Amino acid sequence: GQNIDQPTEMTATEGAIVQINCTYQTSGFNGLFWYQQHAGEAPTFLSYNVLDGLEEKGRFSSFLSRSKGYSYLLLKELQMKDSASYLCAAPERGGKLIFGQGTELSVKP
Amino acid sequence: NAGVMQNPRHLVRRRGQEARLRCSPMKGHSHVYWYRQLPEEGLKFMVYLQKENIIDESGMPKERFSAEFPKEGPSILRIQQVVRGDSAAYFCASSPEGRTGELFFGEGSRLTVL
Repeated sequence: GQNIDQPTEMTATEGAIVQINCTYQTSGFNGLFWYQQHAGEAPTFLSYNVLDGLEEKGRFSSFLSRSKGYSYLLLKELQMKDSASYLCAAPERGGKLIFGQGTELSVKP
Repeated sequence: NAGVMQNPRHLVRRRGQEARLRCSPMKGHSHVYWYRQLPEEGLKFMVYLQKENIIDESGMPKERFSAEFPKEGPSILRIQQVVRGDSAAYFCASSPEGRTGELFFGEGSRLTVL
């Protein structure tokens, strides 16, 4: 099975950079996903890493180290609208996606 | 191309009643997943279905909960004899065949049990 850990909450300032960490233990690795979920809304896909290294997509980047079982999501030039829950997730063999408990990010002015 | 459609968006039931939540996947998607989210908690996997088949129901409570995805029509998550602890947001997600993990979520159905 999967075990996924991430911090419960973080606070950052508008315009700053924030890094949200995720550690995972899997029985078989099939990639690592990040989703964003605003309060009361559906989760939306942010990124997918299957190889080691950094994947950059605009203000958001995601990093993966398979040997360390570690990933992070990096958000640059923070905006108030980035206040949301960020969910780290890994697929289990058979197809289902297992989520961490989510990191609630609050962006302050 | 319409996204994943869930209804009702909000449902209120009294203890002991039945709740039926419906989910229509994105066009061309044959895999459906149901997740439950309690307030300020993460998404908990419940069940994974393909047309007319339950693939993985390891997250479903053993009693009162059932799910189906018939050949025609939406997927249904059914909760019988609801209790207060069933109050949660229930999210449906779909994916294309062969795309493990890339899920597209509906807006969710929020069940409140009085």
